[in-house]
Amino acid sequence: KAGVTQTPRYLIKTRGQQVTLSCSPISGHRSVSWYQQTPGQGLQFLFEYFSETQRNKGNFPGRFSGRQFSNSRSEMNVSTLELGDSALYLCASSLAGTGGTDTQYFGPGTRLTVL
Amino acid sequence: AQSVTQLGSHVSVSEGALVLLRCNYSSSVPPYLFWYVQYPNQGLQLLLKYTSAATLVKGINGFEAEFKKSETSFHLTKPSAHMSDAAEYFCAVSGTGNQFYFGTGTSLTVIP
Repeated sequence: KAGVTQTPRYLIKTRGQQVTLSCSPISGHRSVSWYQQTPGQGLQFLFEYFSETQRNKGNFPGRFSGRQFSNSRSEMNVSTLELGDSALYLCASSLAGTGGTDTQYFGPGTRLTVL
Repeated sequence: AQSVTQLGSHVSVSEGALVLLRCNYSSSVPPYLFWYVQYPNQGLQLLLKYTSAATLVKGINGFEAEFKKSETSFHLTKPSAHMSDAAEYFCAVSGTGNQFYFGTGTSLTVIP
């Protein structure tokens, strides 16, 4: 079974631009979570989608948004990019997203650099 | 609310020596605990998880972790370090809902 895939793997943008990242979960997984990873802040939770609905949200500004499609694929959008948005963005999928024993499986990440 | 604290952002061990990475958790509900490993420029890979079935959990690559409720700990160990174990290790807790809370990570260096 194929793992979680993320595209693109690398992105370079300039301040003020917007960017869209894509995540395809493991087949059969309905929950997709997004994380931002930076050297200073570690892994920070952005949001989680389940059955096309945002179910959980972290403490990020409204410039960060996402959506999930009927096939469980998810996209994340960042508008008006800032230098501080440079990070590795990780997507994780899980089966039912009920928490507890439901394991999250991670993709390789998208490395975003904002110049 | 759930959280985890990883003690020691950097740990160095000699090849063949015991690996011990520390994780303490805080949870208002019975916790589900995880250890993940991240190699450079890659995503996180699940090493093992605690789901209350057994307090000693065995994972991949010879790693294991013991859940100690009295100490609110879930430390990761491996009897003999290998060069390939050099990576970043993350402890995580999941409670109600599907939100995972990760520790800040421990970078493991293995000295030949």
